[in-house]
Amino acid sequence: GQQLNQSPQSMFIQEGEDVSMNCTSSSIFNTWLWYKQDPGEGPVLLIALYKAGELTSNGRLTAQFGITRKDSFLNISASIPSDVGIYFCAGQSYGDKIIFGKGTRLHILP
Amino acid sequence: EAGVAQSPRYKIIEKRQSVAFWCNPISGHATLYWYQQILGQGPKLLIQFQNNGVVDDSQLPKDRFSAERLKGVDSTLKIQPAKLEDSAVYLCASSSRPGWGLPETQYFGPGTRLLVL
Repeated sequence: GQQLNQSPQSMFIQEGEDVSMNCTSSSIFNTWLWYKQDPGEGPVLLIALYKAGELTSNGRLTAQFGITRKDSFLNISASIPSDVGIYFCAGQSYGDKIIFGKGTRLHILP
Repeated sequence: EAGVAQSPRYKIIEKRQSVAFWCNPISGHATLYWYQQILGQGPKLLIQFQNNGVVDDSQLPKDRFSAERLKGVDSTLKIQPAKLEDSAVYLCASSSRPGWGLPETQYFGPGTRLLVL
């Protein structure tokens, strides 16, 4: 079945640093999604991308839909303590289920 | 606007026992999903409902898992009998599909954390 490779698995950064994570797939997707999950909560949608090459921002977050439609990345600028959590990429083809990556765990050192 | 509600939030049972989870989606959302999230993994779709009909249950272990959405609103997911490997967070999500082929946004509930001993 379809699988997403999300990297890195975990990150330890200093507050104020920029963060970059990415997701690759062997299959083409029509939609790329980025979610954040806090402990004890369900995932919350951060950014949705619907067109190849699309670059979308949401505050300090920026995500891009790869030209090949097989990858996407998420950048977080000037990280703050509340950015701690697990970030999931997800891909979806028309009429099909959403496939999630295994997540990137972001830790911020004081 | 109220979000997706789930109960209970936590459940501990012994293997071979039965357990049921409840979900109330966002008002007006026709599509409801149940996901299983094992520790260290992303959510995996178990079943998708469109109103009270099943759209996709290809990844639901039907020998022990069942789900229903009789009136097209609330839904229950049942495991009978539970196994150790069923320990996971069970997430419910809902969406309001704008139309065929158009993107959707799924809104997740807080999940039910199940521990099978």
